[in-house]
Amino acid sequence: DIQMTQSPSSLSASVGDRVTITCQASHDISNYLNWYQQKPGKAPKLLIYDVSNLQTGVTSRFSGSGSGTAFTFTISSLQPEDIATYYCQQYDNLPLTFGGGTKVEIK
Amino acid sequence: EVLLVESGGGLVQPGGSLRLSCAGSGFTFSSHAMSWVRQAPGKGLEWVSGIVGSGGRTHYADSVKGRFTISRDNSKNTVYLQMNSLRAEDSALYYCAKGLVVITHFDYWGQGTLVTVSS
Repeated sequence: DIQMTQSPSSLSASVGDRVTITCQASHDISNYLNWYQQKPGKAPKLLIYDVSNLQTGVTSRFSGSGSGTAFTFTISSLQPEDIATYYCQQYDNLPLTFGGGTKVEIK
Repeated sequence: EVLLVESGGGLVQPGGSLRLSCAGSGFTFSSHAMSWVRQAPGKGLEWVSGIVGSGGRTHYADSVKGRFTISRDNSKNTVYLQMNSLRAEDSALYYCAKGLVVITHFDYWGQGTLVTVSS
């Protein structure tokens, strides 16, 4: 199975800060990488698919980059509504696997 | 509007069985792969199983292979997860998730149904 390692596991930042989350795959997954946001008590929401494609209706504050084994998710200017846990997910190989999550809080 | 509604969760003893259902609407159900993703309390997301639109191919996580069976009835716009030989570690909120033609990303999720395995 492909292991997805996210870092950090949690972070605290101020409103307006640029926030970056990394996701490392144990094997080359090309560009088969997605990002989700999960707010407390809610189902996950797709933000970005295939590394950098913004899902319809998702704010352009969110962006993604990377290829192969190293990927990055960025919030350009953190807002209070961005408080959530973020997950990466690969689909290069079954079983699909998720990263462990990054909990983002406001400082 | 795309809607996914799960049902069938509950409390079951170890070794018992449950069948989860997920009814989809607002999209051409038979054209989309569907998956089940679970989340244990306070933990991360774990993909459990997926099925392509025709129902002809199914896939499972190693942790449930041989115990869980995914199926679908496109005439009822419903996907199922039959869970047998349940263990305490299967306790989780089970989400139904819609994919594309094949299993890639999940653009819509249900609200989940809670499964608790305990004596």
